[in-house]
Amino acid sequence: DGGITQSPKYLFRKEGQNVTLSCEQNLNHDAMYWYRQDPGQGLRLIYYSQIVNDFQKGDIAEGYSVSREKKESFPLTVTSAQKNPTAFYLCASSPLERRNEQFFGPGTRLTVL
Amino acid sequence: GQSLEQPSEVTAVEGAIVQINCTYQTSGFYGLSWYQQHDGGAPTFLSYNGLDGLEETGRFSSFLSRSDSYGYLLLQELQMKDSASYFCAVKRGDYKLSFGAGTTVTVRA
Repeated sequence: DGGITQSPKYLFRKEGQNVTLSCEQNLNHDAMYWYRQDPGQGLRLIYYSQIVNDFQKGDIAEGYSVSREKKESFPLTVTSAQKNPTAFYLCASSPLERRNEQFFGPGTRLTVL
Repeated sequence: GQSLEQPSEVTAVEGAIVQINCTYQTSGFYGLSWYQQHDGGAPTFLSYNGLDGLEETGRFSSFLSRSDSYGYLLLQELQMKDSASYFCAVKRGDYKLSFGAGTTVTVRA
Protein backbone atom coordinates (compact mmCIF):
# COMPACT_ATOMS: atom_id res chain seq x y z
CA ASP A 1 0.00 0.00 0.00
CA GLY A 2 1.34 3.41 -0.99
CA GLY A 3 1.07 6.28 1.40
CA ILE A 4 2.63 8.69 3.86
CA THR A 5 3.53 7.64 7.36
CA GLN A 6 4.23 9.89 10.30
CA SER A 7 5.46 8.67 13.62
CA PRO A 8 4.70 8.80 16.40
CA LYS A 9 1.03 9.80 16.49
CA TYR A 10 1.42 11.47 19.89
CA LEU A 11 4.64 12.95 21.24
CA PHE A 12 5.38 14.61 24.56
CA ARG A 13 8.51 16.61 25.25
CA LYS A 14 9.81 18.89 27.96
CA GLU A 15 10.30 22.54 27.22
CA GLY A 16 13.79 23.30 25.94
CA GLN A 17 14.30 19.97 24.17
CA ASN A 18 14.64 19.55 20.43
CA VAL A 19 12.39 16.92 18.89
CA THR A 20 12.38 15.34 15.42
CA LEU A 21 9.17 14.27 13.70
CA SER A 22 9.36 11.55 11.10
CA CYS A 23 7.74 11.63 7.65
CA GLU A 24 8.16 8.85 5.09
CA GLN A 25 6.38 8.36 1.76
CA ASN A 26 6.47 5.50 -0.73
CA LEU A 27 4.44 7.27 -3.41
CA ASN A 28 7.55 8.29 -5.35
CA HIS A 29 6.48 11.93 -5.04
CA ASP A 30 9.06 14.61 -5.66
CA ALA A 31 7.67 17.37 -3.45
CA MET A 32 7.16 17.15 0.31
CA TYR A 33 5.78 19.62 2.81
CA TRP A 34 5.40 20.27 6.53
CA TYR A 35 2.40 22.10 7.96
CA ARG A 36 1.36 23.11 11.44
CA GLN A 37 -2.28 23.18 12.53
CA ASP A 38 -3.51 24.84 15.71
CA PRO A 39 -7.01 24.29 17.16
CA GLY A 40 -9.73 25.86 15.04
CA GLN A 41 -7.27 27.11 12.47
CA GLY A 42 -6.12 26.23 9.00
CA LEU A 43 -2.80 24.72 8.08
CA ARG A 44 0.31 26.89 7.92
CA LEU A 45 3.30 25.96 5.78
CA ILE A 46 6.58 25.47 7.67
CA TYR A 47 8.96 24.10 5.02
CA TYR A 48 8.72 22.44 1.64
CA SER A 49 11.08 20.53 -0.60
CA GLN A 50 10.82 20.15 -4.35
CA ILE A 51 13.71 17.71 -4.80
CA VAL A 52 16.29 15.83 -2.78
CA ASN A 53 18.92 17.99 -1.05
CA ASP A 54 16.86 21.14 -1.55
CA PHE A 55 14.22 22.77 0.64
CA GLN A 56 12.60 26.17 1.07
CA LYS A 57 11.18 28.08 4.01
CA GLY A 58 7.43 28.38 4.21
CA ASP A 59 5.46 31.01 6.07
CA ILE A 60 6.43 30.05 9.64
CA ALA A 61 9.92 28.48 9.44
CA GLU A 62 11.39 30.14 12.53
CA GLY A 63 12.29 27.59 15.19
CA TYR A 64 12.13 24.65 12.79
CA SER A 65 14.64 22.82 10.62
CA VAL A 66 14.38 20.09 7.98
CA SER A 67 16.53 17.84 5.82
CA ARG A 68 15.85 16.00 2.56
CA GLU A 69 18.63 13.45 2.10
CA LYS A 70 16.36 10.84 0.50
CA LYS A 71 13.39 11.25 -1.81
CA GLU A 72 11.10 9.33 0.51
CA SER A 73 12.02 11.04 3.78
CA PHE A 74 11.53 14.60 5.06
CA PRO A 75 12.06 14.83 8.84
CA LEU A 76 11.17 17.98 10.75
CA THR A 77 13.05 19.12 13.86
CA VAL A 78 11.22 21.37 16.28
CA THR A 79 13.94 23.25 18.10
CA SER A 80 13.90 24.90 21.50
CA ALA A 81 13.79 28.24 19.67
CA GLN A 82 10.17 27.60 18.62
CA LYS A 83 8.13 29.62 21.11
CA ASN A 84 4.84 27.71 20.88
CA PRO A 85 5.65 24.21 19.65
CA THR A 86 2.52 22.44 20.90
CA ALA A 87 0.45 21.75 17.78
CA PHE A 88 -0.69 19.14 15.26
CA TYR A 89 2.00 18.62 12.60
CA LEU A 90 1.07 17.34 9.17
CA CYS A 91 3.38 16.11 6.45
CA ALA A 92 2.28 16.01 2.81
CA SER A 93 3.65 15.13 -0.59
CA SER A 94 2.70 15.77 -4.21
CA PRO A 95 3.77 14.33 -7.56
CA LEU A 96 5.47 16.53 -10.11
CA GLU A 97 2.70 16.07 -12.66
CA ARG A 98 -0.11 16.82 -10.20
CA ARG A 99 1.25 19.55 -7.97
CA ASN A 100 -2.26 20.86 -7.37
CA GLU A 101 -3.06 17.84 -5.22
CA GLN A 102 -1.29 17.21 -1.93
CA PHE A 103 -1.50 13.91 -0.07
CA PHE A 104 -1.33 14.14 3.70
CA GLY A 105 -0.04 11.82 6.38
CA PRO A 106 -2.01 11.09 9.58
CA GLY A 107 -0.16 13.76 11.57
CA THR A 108 1.79 13.93 14.82
CA ARG A 109 0.30 15.70 17.81
CA LEU A 110 3.18 17.28 19.74
CA THR A 111 2.70 18.47 23.28
CA VAL A 112 5.49 20.36 25.01
CA LEU A 113 5.18 20.37 28.77
CA GLY B 1 0.24 38.91 2.70
CA GLN B 2 -2.64 36.58 2.20
CA SER B 3 -6.09 36.35 3.74
CA LEU B 4 -8.88 33.88 3.16
CA GLU B 5 -12.37 34.12 4.62
CA GLN B 6 -14.86 31.30 4.93
CA PRO B 7 -17.76 30.76 7.34
CA SER B 8 -16.82 29.02 10.57
CA GLU B 9 -19.81 26.69 10.80
CA VAL B 10 -22.68 25.35 8.71
CA THR B 11 -25.39 22.93 9.82
CA ALA B 12 -27.75 21.11 7.46
CA VAL B 13 -29.88 17.97 7.29
CA GLU B 14 -29.20 14.81 5.35
CA GLY B 15 -30.04 15.16 1.69
CA ALA B 16 -29.68 18.94 1.69
CA ILE B 17 -27.30 21.13 -0.33
CA VAL B 18 -24.63 23.25 1.34
CA GLN B 19 -22.51 25.97 -0.23
CA ILE B 20 -19.28 27.07 1.46
CA ASN B 21 -18.00 30.41 0.23
CA CYS B 22 -14.38 31.48 0.21
CA THR B 23 -13.10 34.97 -0.50
CA TYR B 24 -9.41 35.66 -0.72
CA GLN B 25 -6.82 38.40 -0.97
CA THR B 26 -3.40 37.31 -2.09
CA SER B 27 -0.48 38.06 -4.33
CA GLY B 28 0.63 35.48 -6.87
CA PHE B 29 -2.66 33.61 -7.24
CA TYR B 30 -2.48 30.35 -9.20
CA GLY B 31 -5.70 28.65 -8.19
CA LEU B 32 -8.06 27.59 -5.41
CA SER B 33 -8.13 24.15 -3.78
CA TRP B 34 -10.56 22.52 -1.37
CA TYR B 35 -9.69 19.94 1.30
CA GLN B 36 -11.81 17.91 3.69
CA GLN B 37 -10.64 16.99 7.17
CA HIS B 38 -12.48 14.73 9.58
CA ASP B 39 -11.90 15.41 13.25
CA GLY B 40 -8.30 14.60 14.17
CA GLY B 41 -7.56 13.15 10.74
CA ALA B 42 -5.53 13.94 7.67
CA PRO B 43 -6.85 16.47 5.16
CA THR B 44 -7.88 14.94 1.85
CA PHE B 45 -7.94 16.73 -1.49
CA LEU B 46 -11.38 17.43 -2.98
CA SER B 47 -10.91 19.74 -5.94
CA TYR B 48 -8.83 22.41 -7.65
CA ASN B 49 -9.89 25.36 -9.81
CA GLY B 50 -7.15 27.02 -11.84
CA LEU B 51 -9.54 28.75 -14.20
CA ASP B 52 -12.91 30.44 -13.77
CA GLY B 53 -15.91 28.19 -13.78
CA LEU B 54 -17.35 25.08 -12.24
CA GLU B 55 -15.59 21.77 -11.59
CA GLU B 56 -17.80 18.80 -10.72
CA THR B 57 -16.67 15.65 -8.95
CA GLY B 58 -19.57 13.43 -7.99
CA ARG B 59 -21.67 15.06 -5.24
CA PHE B 60 -19.14 17.87 -4.79
CA SER B 61 -18.61 20.85 -7.10
CA SER B 62 -16.29 23.81 -6.85
CA PHE B 63 -16.48 27.21 -8.51
CA LEU B 64 -13.99 30.02 -9.03
CA SER B 65 -14.31 33.62 -10.13
CA ARG B 66 -10.83 35.16 -10.33
CA SER B 67 -12.17 38.64 -11.05
CA ASP B 68 -14.21 38.54 -7.81
CA SER B 69 -11.48 36.74 -5.77
CA TYR B 70 -14.22 34.31 -4.80
CA GLY B 71 -14.90 30.63 -4.90
CA TYR B 72 -17.27 28.13 -3.36
CA LEU B 73 -17.61 24.44 -2.63
CA LEU B 74 -21.04 22.90 -3.17
CA LEU B 75 -21.93 19.73 -1.31
CA GLN B 76 -25.05 18.02 -2.66
CA GLU B 77 -27.16 15.17 -1.31
CA LEU B 78 -25.53 15.58 2.08
CA GLN B 79 -24.70 12.40 3.99
CA MET B 80 -23.77 11.93 7.64
CA LYS B 81 -20.20 11.07 6.58
CA ASP B 82 -19.86 14.59 5.10
CA SER B 83 -19.69 16.01 8.64
CA ALA B 84 -16.15 17.40 8.66
CA SER B 85 -14.14 20.58 8.30
CA TYR B 86 -13.66 21.99 4.82
CA PHE B 87 -10.75 24.26 3.95
CA CYS B 88 -10.22 26.47 0.95
CA ALA B 89 -6.58 27.01 0.05
CA VAL B 90 -4.98 29.46 -2.33
CA LYS B 91 -2.16 28.12 -4.47
CA ARG B 92 0.70 30.63 -4.54
CA GLY B 93 3.30 29.50 -7.01
CA ASP B 94 3.98 25.90 -7.89
CA TYR B 95 4.23 24.55 -4.37
CA LYS B 96 2.84 26.91 -1.75
CA LEU B 97 -0.66 26.69 -0.33
CA SER B 98 -2.29 29.15 2.09
CA PHE B 99 -5.27 27.70 3.93
CA GLY B 100 -8.36 29.35 5.32
CA ALA B 101 -9.43 28.68 8.91
CA GLY B 102 -11.96 26.07 7.82
CA THR B 103 -15.73 25.58 7.85
CA THR B 104 -17.16 22.92 10.14
CA VAL B 105 -20.10 21.22 8.45
CA THR B 106 -22.48 19.33 10.70
CA VAL B 107 -25.02 17.05 9.05
CA ARG B 108 -28.10 16.16 11.09
CA ALA B 109 -30.46 13.26 10.53
